[in-house]
Amino acid sequence: NAGVTQTPKFRVLKTGQSMTLLCAQDMNHEYMYWYRQDPGMGLRLIHYSVGEGTTAKGEVPDGYNVSRLKKQNFLLGLESAAPSQTSVYFCASYERQGQTGELFFGEGSRLTVL
Amino acid sequence: RKEVEQDPGPFNVPEGATVAFNCTYSNSASQSFFWYRQDCRKEPKLLMSVYSSGNEDGRFTAQLNRASQYISLLIRDSKLSDSATYLCVVMNFGNEKLTFGTGTRLTIIP
Repeated sequence: NAGVTQTPKFRVLKTGQSMTLLCAQDMNHEYMYWYRQDPGMGLRLIHYSVGEGTTAKGEVPDGYNVSRLKKQNFLLGLESAAPSQTSVYFCASYERQGQTGELFFGEGSRLTVL
Repeated sequence: RKEVEQDPGPFNVPEGATVAFNCTYSNSASQSFFWYRQDCRKEPKLLMSVYSSGNEDGRFTAQLNRASQYISLLIRDSKLSDSATYLCVVMNFGNEKLTFGTGTRLTIIP
């Protein structure tokens, strides 16, 4: 059981290049989230999805786009990468269990924009 | 005001001591609360959910105070392996947004 898988795990981009991060989960979870983590900043929510075909903005959505065409996949796109987007990106899926639940994370994708 | 706020620390605590963290949240509609643990450069992992009545898991106790809008985590008899960053997480039902605090860094000193 793979859980949540992120690809790629590492990437170096030049300013202005585009790329897509893929998050795949095999747990049939409805909710999926993309976060970025910078030193001293904790995890900040970029975009999230509460089901196939739906997406919503988080705290820091600018410069990113997302798509959830299939329930198991949540894609994060950078159309024109900027050095400020150098960060560690974490994807997570959420299993609701009554009034509570659990977030399951991927191992992270380390992106450097030169 | 940030939706979820934590004291970033660092907390440097001798082994065997008791340490407590607080986390405040601004949205009174928040419904679910969690403590996650993150080791250096790794993904966060669930430590415990926080229930209205408070809950305990071994050396860890979590409390929720809805009136004052904060959650707390108490670690008793701290171990070297407790050194990590502790993140509080708040979920709002309705928009299903999961928001993290900035994390509190804890170092247990031998």
